[in-house]
Amino acid sequence: GEDVEQSLFLSVREGDSSVINCTYTDSSSTYLYWYKQEPGAGLQLLTYIFSNMDMKQDQRLTVLLNKKDKHLSLRIADTQTGDSAIYFCAGPLYNTDKLIFGTGTRLQVFP
Amino acid sequence: DAGVTQSPTHLIKTRGQQVTLRCSPKSGHDTVSWYQQALGQGPQFIFQYYEEEERQRGNFPDRFSGHQFPNYSSELNVNALLLGDSALYLCASSFGTSGGQTQYFGPGTRLLVL
Repeated sequence: GEDVEQSLFLSVREGDSSVINCTYTDSSSTYLYWYKQEPGAGLQLLTYIFSNMDMKQDQRLTVLLNKKDKHLSLRIADTQTGDSAIYFCAGPLYNTDKLIFGTGTRLQVFP
Repeated sequence: DAGVTQSPTHLIKTRGQQVTLRCSPKSGHDTVSWYQQALGQGPQFIFQYYEEEERQRGNFPDRFSGHQFPNYSSELNVNALLLGDSALYLCASSFGTSGGQTQYFGPGTRLLVL
């Protein structure tokens, strides 16, 4: 069945780059998404990439997609303490709006 | 431009009770999806409503039901509450149901079942 996997934790120093990785099994997703969740809050859509793209850059965020390896990554440049949160990658099952989420990666930024 | 809103923000119930959660979609959106997020987990899809009908459903029992109103707002009902229903319930809205529509989430309702 469908599965999305992420590493659980990432700790980086303020000002460094963060790279959060995600692997997925359902290769038919049209879009793949990155959401951010701060403590006690809902999900904030950060960015998304269309499945026929390899890379998308949006200010400090860079998304890389390797369809062959079914690997998605989110790079945050110049990471700030306000970036501390849980980051989820997600993709819809083919021809549905049912988003399948990873377990989330907790990013901790220290000064 | 109002985003997705949910009410209440927090709720405490006891086992066996019933609960109703509410969601208003983002302006311009006509589709509402509900997700359950247990502590330490990613959200799990419950179901989706479009044109006042349930269109898609995840692996949740019939105790979970919903409704969509003509103004596109939606309710999630859970009957015969179990301790394991304690979670953050997230509503997401989107436009249309052509598959892969970008979903925008509300702040969630945190339900605690005692």
